[in-house]
Amino acid sequence: QSVLAQPPSASGTPGQRVAISCSGSSSSIGSSTVKWYQQLPGAAPKLLIYNNDQRPSGVPDRFSGSKSATSASLAISGLRSEDEAAYYCAAWDESLNGWVFGGGTKLTVL
Amino acid sequence: QVQLVQSGAEVKKPGSSVKVSCKASGDTFRNSPINWVRQAPGQGLEWIGGVLPTFSTANYAQTLQGRVTITADESTSTSYMELTSLRSDDTAVYYCAREAVALRAFDFWGQGTMVTVYS
Repeated sequence: QSVLAQPPSASGTPGQRVAISCSGSSSSIGSSTVKWYQQLPGAAPKLLIYNNDQRPSGVPDRFSGSKSATSASLAISGLRSEDEAAYYCAAWDESLNGWVFGGGTKLTVL
Repeated sequence: QVQLVQSGAEVKKPGSSVKVSCKASGDTFRNSPINWVRQAPGQGLEWIGGVLPTFSTANYAQTLQGRVTITADESTSTSYMELTSLRSDDTAVYYCAREAVALRAFDFWGQGTMVTVYS
């Protein structure tokens, strides 16, 4: 069981907006910034969002992140077929003294 | 551009050990922690531990403490992850990842190394 809780699956049609939630605790999300990673099938994870809502260079602005208290959310607008992937949230956990991940959300573009 | 190149796939018997390497390009190695993450087949990501090469200090996930050792060799810009007393549930793809200090995030990842444990 993962320290951060995510829904196992999400779906949407091309052009739609979808949101993926991530729930933690006061020692994880409540005390740290949230990152989001995208993992395409058969590939290594890729950094999508850092510092809750910042995008690395090259990540389209269709991807946005937010955080409130001990929860976070990743939103993808203008959904495209190439967005079909697994998405993981992550944060530093002060109690565990280590990085923790969500269980991952598999996004299907219908 | 940072590149992390990992060693090849391994097949091990239960009870044995495995050592996976991760070679980094550029001078990013010295000042950036290198972390290790694993992913069992069809499962999510699990942080194993990390090392700061400059000081050779490492910290580990509590669930693996005592079985895992992560080291860094500055002379070759290579990090190593050794896991002992292997069990079937250690079967996974093992990734190394650079932690960008300013971003507090893993911005570059290795290609992954498949470790299979079976008798």
